[in-house]
This record gives sequence, structure tokens and C-alpha cells, in this order.
Amino acid sequence: QKEVEQNSGPLSVPEGAIASLNCTYSDRGSQSFFWYRQYSGKSPELIMSIYSNGDKEDGRFTAQLNKASQYVSLLIRDSQPSDSATYLCAVKGGPGGNEKLTFGTGTRLTIIP
Amino acid sequence: ETGVTQTPRHLVMGMTNKKSLKCEQHLGHNAMYWYKQSAKKPLELMFVYNFKEQTENNSVPSRFSPECPNSSHLFLHLHTLQPEDSALYLCASSQEWLGTEAFFGQGTRLTVV
Repeated sequence: QKEVEQNSGPLSVPEGAIASLNCTYSDRGSQSFFWYRQYSGKSPELIMSIYSNGDKEDGRFTAQLNKASQYVSLLIRDSQPSDSATYLCAVKGGPGGNEKLTFGTGTRLTIIP
Repeated sequence: ETGVTQTPRHLVMGMTNKKSLKCEQHLGHNAMYWYKQSAKKPLELMFVYNFKEQTENNSVPSRFSPECPNSSHLFLHLHTLQPEDSALYLCASSQEWLGTEAFFGQGTRLTVV
């Protein structure tokens, strides 16, 4: 089982709709969760971090964490063509566990005008 | 710009060449990282330096040799590489080792011919 799993996509979403990106992780002791956005040919850019169960909103972005289900998601409201990118989920464990930042393979998102 | 600068941005080298990748961070961070990003694979952590000391070497072949002269600079020396080493090499930094947020440089696109 992969440590951090994401659907590679591509995920196509009409402009203005909600894009939903999902990520599952295997280490139940994980404590920190991140979403990075990576445009083609560019480096990953941190867009959201979440540490406790529930929702965290930042502008058009909402991160959702469910530690019991080992599931973290990213919602993008009012999707724009500029949101087209690969979204990387990253997970960091807690003390005594896998404390390294482990990345998924990423989900490629395309917003259709 | 994230405050992490990598040079060169692109590099083509033969299997018998020796070259070096350079990374510089202007964020005052104490930890620096080398990652490898290959197509359809998760970001792979290669090396970690914390306060100039190497704290992690993820079973990386000896043809990759890191050097960290101070907390702001990180090098990756390359020699006798293989075509399968062609990838995007990303440098990142964080406030401390196992820090929660990593900031990435733009990467060096390496092609081994």
C-alpha cells in the first residue's frame, strides 16, 4: 500500500464549478497535512495546511481532514482556468513515527472554460 | 519567488561528465532538502541537512554527492550518472528539520544522455 495515495487524474471540471481532490494516507499517526499546487514545469507551491479534524477555509480553497478515515481533501470553489495544475498531497507523521514529509503522486486538474 | 533559488534551471550532461547543482535560500531556514521528481512518481526525498549536518540519506546512489557548506547553501554533485537519473531535482528548505512547511526552489531539469 502506498503511503499517500491520490487519483492521478486527469480531473476535468467546468469553470465556476467545485473541484474536489482527494487523498488517503496509511500512517495513522500522521499529524500534519498539506496541499501543494504545481504548475507544469514549475516547483510545488504550498497552498493549504491542516492539522486537526474538520474544515479549514482560505479564500476559494477548503481543506477537509478526517483522521479516523485517514482521508484529506481539497475543495476549490468557483474554479478558474488558472487553477489548472497538478495538486500534491503531502503528509507528515508525528514523533516516533514517520516524521518525514511524504508526497502522493499528485492529481492533474484541468478547468474547462 | 519562494526565497529558494536553484541553478542551473536546465542541465544536459553525458554519463561521464561531472556537474553540480546549486541551491541558495534567503529565508533564514535551518534545514535544506534535495528531492527528485520523476514522471508519474511521488516526490522522492534524497538528502536532508539540518544546521549544515546531514541527517538523512535515503539510500541514494553514491553518484549523487551532497554538500552543505552553511545553512543557506546546498549543492548536489553529480558524476557518472545514468539516463534513468534524468528528472527534476528540487531543493527545499524549512525552518527546522522536520519543519511543517517546506518551500521549494524552481528546480533543475536534468537530462542525462
